[in-house]
Amino acid sequence: QVQLVQSGAELKKPGSSVKVSCKASGGSFSRYGISWVRQAPGQGLEWMGGIIPYFGVGNYAQKFQGRLTITADESTNTAYMELSSLRSEDTAVYFCAGGPNYGENDYWGQGTLVTVSS
Amino acid sequence: DVVMTQSPVSLPVTLGQPASISCRSSQSLVYSDGNTYLTWLQQRPGQSPRRLIYKVSNRDSGVPDRFSGSGSGTDFTLKISRVEAEDVGVYYCMEGTHWPRGLTFGGGTKVEIK
Repeated sequence: QVQLVQSGAELKKPGSSVKVSCKASGGSFSRYGISWVRQAPGQGLEWMGGIIPYFGVGNYAQKFQGRLTITADESTNTAYMELSSLRSEDTAVYFCAGGPNYGENDYWGQGTLVTVSS
Repeated sequence: DVVMTQSPVSLPVTLGQPASISCRSSQSLVYSDGNTYLTWLQQRPGQSPRRLIYKVSNRDSGVPDRFSGSGSGTDFTLKISRVEAEDVGVYYCMEGTHWPRGLTFGGGTKVEIK
């Protein structure tokens, strides 16, 4: 059974950065497709970007280009999402999702609440 | 960019009655391998999304058979044959045909009990 376990909630100041982790267990992490998805309060789901750890190259939605970095560490089966220049509109729950079937988000993490406030 | 349009936005349903959610994409979701990467997700209140259906009509393990997916090309439907109380939540369609260059969600349909 594959599990994606994310790091805990974060409180950040505007202009700072946040890095959220997503640790996979129970499968072949390096060949997974991992996406990062966010959900603002009361809103729908928004895809931010993705990575295949084996290849190590992040792909990003246009909206986040230049501000988002997605990486993966095969040795620890962990993916990371780092968002910089935070503003209040970035307050959201951030999910990692993915699995062996690219673009199908078989499994989801529990979500990480990031609050941006001065 | 692909646009995924879901309807209705809100769906009040009587327990035991059927429910149907529509999802339309702005372009065909058929990939070069012949597969259509259209997924349905369920998000219960306060929970992470959970995948119900993948590749249009394949139910995930543990998903009750009252859930079914159908469609092709640009038009897709999720049906619940008899709504139960545990089905309350928001349902999203999602296209993954263009992953990793992109992935798009529908706006969501909130299912509630009348």
